[in-house]
Amino acid sequence: NAGVTQTPKFQVLKTGQSMTLQCAQDMNHNSMYWYRQDPGMGLRLIYYSASEGTTDKGEVPNGYNVSRLNKREFSLRLESAAPSQTSVYFCASSELAGGPLETQYFGPGTRLLVL
Amino acid sequence: AQSVAQPEDQVNVAEGNPLTVKCTYSVSGNPYLFWYVQYPNRGLQFLLKYITGDNLVKGSYGFEAEFNKSQTSFHLKKPSALVSDSALYFCAVRDDYKLSFGAGTTVTVRA
Repeated sequence: NAGVTQTPKFQVLKTGQSMTLQCAQDMNHNSMYWYRQDPGMGLRLIYYSASEGTTDKGEVPNGYNVSRLNKREFSLRLESAAPSQTSVYFCASSELAGGPLETQYFGPGTRLLVL
Repeated sequence: AQSVAQPEDQVNVAEGNPLTVKCTYSVSGNPYLFWYVQYPNRGLQFLLKYITGDNLVKGSYGFEAEFNKSQTSFHLKKPSALVSDSALYFCAVRDDYKLSFGAGTTVTVRA
């Protein structure tokens, strides 16, 4: 039981390049999330998927797209990377979004540097 | 919108001393509060969550948190800190479908 896994662990991009961050969970969770972590700002939600087949914007969706490929996998795509997207990206999952007491479980993160 | 604030960027304590990490919240309705810990180069790990009615919540690794409605606080505590408790701690509140996080508090426990 690996929990939440993310690939790659680290990536360097040039401005304008595109890439996809992959996330998978093996806990049979319905809901998945993408956050970014920047120093002094905590984590901010980019997009989430409450259930397979649905996706919704979070606080900071501009410059990103997502795909809920199936129940296990939720990918984040940067179509044209910008230096402002340099950050650490975390994927998370939970049993069911909206339940007030439900716990989110996080992956190890992807460090992205955009030059 | 719901929000939390962590007033201290850093907390330094000696091993064996009590550890407190502060968090205050601002919510409309019932607060659903969480604490997470992040060790260097790792993802966030769940520590504990507030369940309505239990003002003292016990969690993982000997941590507990005290919910205080009158002070709108949810401080994380450990009676005797360990060097291995050195990490970044986040308070969070459920806000619709997401968690809203505080900025984080770096805890350093010196031997």
